[in-house]
Amino acid sequence: DAMVIQNPRYQVTQFGKPVTLSCSQTLNHNVMYWYQQKSSQAPKLLFHYYDKDFNNEADTPDNFQSRRPNTSFCFLDIRSPGLGDAAMYLCATSRTGQSNQPQHFGDGTRLSIL
Amino acid sequence: KQEVTQIPAALSVPEGENLVLNCSFTDSAIYNLQWFRQDPGKGLTSLLLIQSSQREQTSGRLNASLDKSSGRSTLYIAASQPGDSATYLCAVPSGNTGKLIFGQGTTLQVKP
Repeated sequence: DAMVIQNPRYQVTQFGKPVTLSCSQTLNHNVMYWYQQKSSQAPKLLFHYYDKDFNNEADTPDNFQSRRPNTSFCFLDIRSPGLGDAAMYLCATSRTGQSNQPQHFGDGTRLSIL
Repeated sequence: KQEVTQIPAALSVPEGENLVLNCSFTDSAIYNLQWFRQDPGKGLTSLLLIQSSQREQTSGRLNASLDKSSGRSTLYIAASQPGDSATYLCAVPSGNTGKLIFGQGTTLQVKP
């Protein structure tokens, strides 16, 4: 009965080769978030969708894009991955996005760059 | 700008010991505080969420407290077990988008 599902769990790509990470949810939540967590660091928000409205963090590199074709799915696209993009990528959802609501996380996708 | 700090960064204790993990935040105007567990190479599992109006939340052997005025939260783990070994992260929402600001975590090792 997994509620936030990320695929794949592990992804290996080559330097500069585009890669897409996937997140789906069965909670019917309005808001979906993508966080990046580098080794031994705190997770950091890249962007989020409130329904279909895309919201980018000011310091998120242009190399990162996102798509949300419907309520259930959200994708993270990295156009030209560099070595510094190797990290755990965490997807989360929130029912309303209000700060009094908890966020529910998936198991993450660990991205390696060769 | 909200900043979240966790001390210590790492902790090693013998099995059966009671322990306390600390979390501090700079802006006391928070809606809630959430504690997560992260096993190596895995995602985040929510342990406890304390609303700003609450002072404590309990789940099994875990007890989380919140003192907004001093900008602190503690996670108390009773009778620790080797299975408790993991990284524990605290986080608070920032702004009106629900964006979470995380501490860097405390990595706990419970030795049999």
